[in-house]
Amino acid sequence: QKEVEQNSGPLSVPEGAIASLNCTYSDRGSQSFFWYRQYSGKSPELIMFIYSNGDKEDGRFTAQLNKASQYVSLLIRDSQPSDSATYLCAVWGSWGKFQFGAGTQVVVTP
Amino acid sequence: DTAVSQTPKYLVTQMGNDKSIKCEQNLGHDTMYWYKQDSKKFLKIMFSYNNKELIINETVPNRFSPKSPDKAHLNLHINSLELGDSAVYFCASSQDGGANTGELFFGEGSRLTVL
Repeated sequence: QKEVEQNSGPLSVPEGAIASLNCTYSDRGSQSFFWYRQYSGKSPELIMFIYSNGDKEDGRFTAQLNKASQYVSLLIRDSQPSDSATYLCAVWGSWGKFQFGAGTQVVVTP
Repeated sequence: DTAVSQTPKYLVTQMGNDKSIKCEQNLGHDTMYWYKQDSKKFLKIMFSYNNKELIINETVPNRFSPKSPDKAHLNLHINSLELGDSAVYFCASSQDGGANTGELFFGEGSRLTVL
C-alpha cells in the first residue's frame, strides 16, 4: 500500500466548473497536509496547506481535511485553463519527512 | 534572483558514466533535499540534509552520493549511471525541516537522460 494515494487522472473539467481532487494517506500520525501544483516541465509550487480537520479556503481553492478518514481533498472553483496542471498531495507524517502522492493531472477544457 | 538554483538543467550521458548536479539556495534555510521524479510524475525523496548533516537517506543505491559543503549547498554525485537513473532530479530547501508550513522551495530540476 502506498503511503499517499491519489487518482492519477487525467481529470477533465469544463472551464468555470469545480475540480475535486482527492488524497488518502496511511499514517494516522500525520500532522500536516499540503497541495502542490506542478505545471508541465516546471517545478512544484505550494498552493495550500492544512493542519486541522475541516475546510480551509484561499481564493478559488479550498482544502478539506478529515483525519478520522485519513482523507484530504482540494476543490478548485471556477476552474480556468491556467489551472491545467498536475496537483501533488504531500503529507508530513510521523516518519519525519514529506511523502508525496503520484499526482492528479487536471485538464480544464474551454 | 533565483531562490534555489541547480545546474545543469539537462544532462545526456552514456551508461556507466559519472555525473554531478549542483544545488544552491539563498533563502537561509537549514534543510535541503534531493528528490527524484520519474516519468510517472512520482516525486520520491532521496536525501535530506539539515545544517550539513545527513538526516534522511532513503533506500537509494550507493552509486548516489550527496555532499553538503555548507548549509546553502547540496550536491549530488552519481557513479556508474544506469538507464533507470533517467529522471528529473529536484533540489529543494525548507526552514525547520518544513513541518510547520510545508513550504518546500524547489529548484527548476535537472533532467538526466542515460543512453
